[in-house]
Amino acid sequence: GAGVSQSPSNKVTEKGKDVELRCDPISGHTALYWYRQSLGQGLEFLIYFQGNSAPDKSGLPSDRFSAERTGGSVSTLTIQRTQQEDSAVYLCASSLAQGYNQPQHFGDGTRLSIL
Amino acid sequence: DAKTTQPTSMDCAEGRAANLPCNHSTISGNEYVYWYRQIHSQGPQYIIHGLKNNETNEMASLIITEDRKSSTLILPHATLRDTAVYYCIVREGTGTASKLTFGTGTRLQVTL
Repeated sequence: GAGVSQSPSNKVTEKGKDVELRCDPISGHTALYWYRQSLGQGLEFLIYFQGNSAPDKSGLPSDRFSAERTGGSVSTLTIQRTQQEDSAVYLCASSLAQGYNQPQHFGDGTRLSIL
Repeated sequence: DAKTTQPTSMDCAEGRAANLPCNHSTISGNEYVYWYRQIHSQGPQYIIHGLKNNETNEMASLIITEDRKSSTLILPHATLRDTAVYYCIVREGTGTASKLTFGTGTRLQVTL
């Protein structure tokens, strides 16, 4: 079946531009997570959605980062006024529900490069 | 999430079983053990998880010791495509986010 789909797979942009990253979760999955992974680093949690609401935004690194989810499905992560330190792979994961017994399934990420 | 300790790297011959150990001596009663792997340029792939009983699926088996302080992921017949970084995670049952925290993992190299 279809897994988590992310687009674009690669994005190169100039410093100061805004970017929008998209995540299509597995159909029926109510929980959605955004992470980022910098070169050689582990996963850094950004934000979590349950349905359309985001009860945990604690990982967003600055107010330049925002995310929304509409219709309980597709989510977009927006980075405004990009900086070079924003360069990373942005990963989206979804799970059937939130909770410790629900595996998160990941997309292949968007590789973001800020020039 | 409780801390886990894994060897940095391991080698395994193709066709043999790969046994990847993980120590999680501070695990608490409501924490699950999860295993993921990440192949270069791909997102992490879920493999298996368990609480206290041994688990098996089409990808692997998970053996958890009786005291739950350690576990072993077993890939029964490793292939070259199993070359990846394998992450062992213990995941708390409470809290709203249930976010994943990956450590440095074990780099498994499957060789001919």
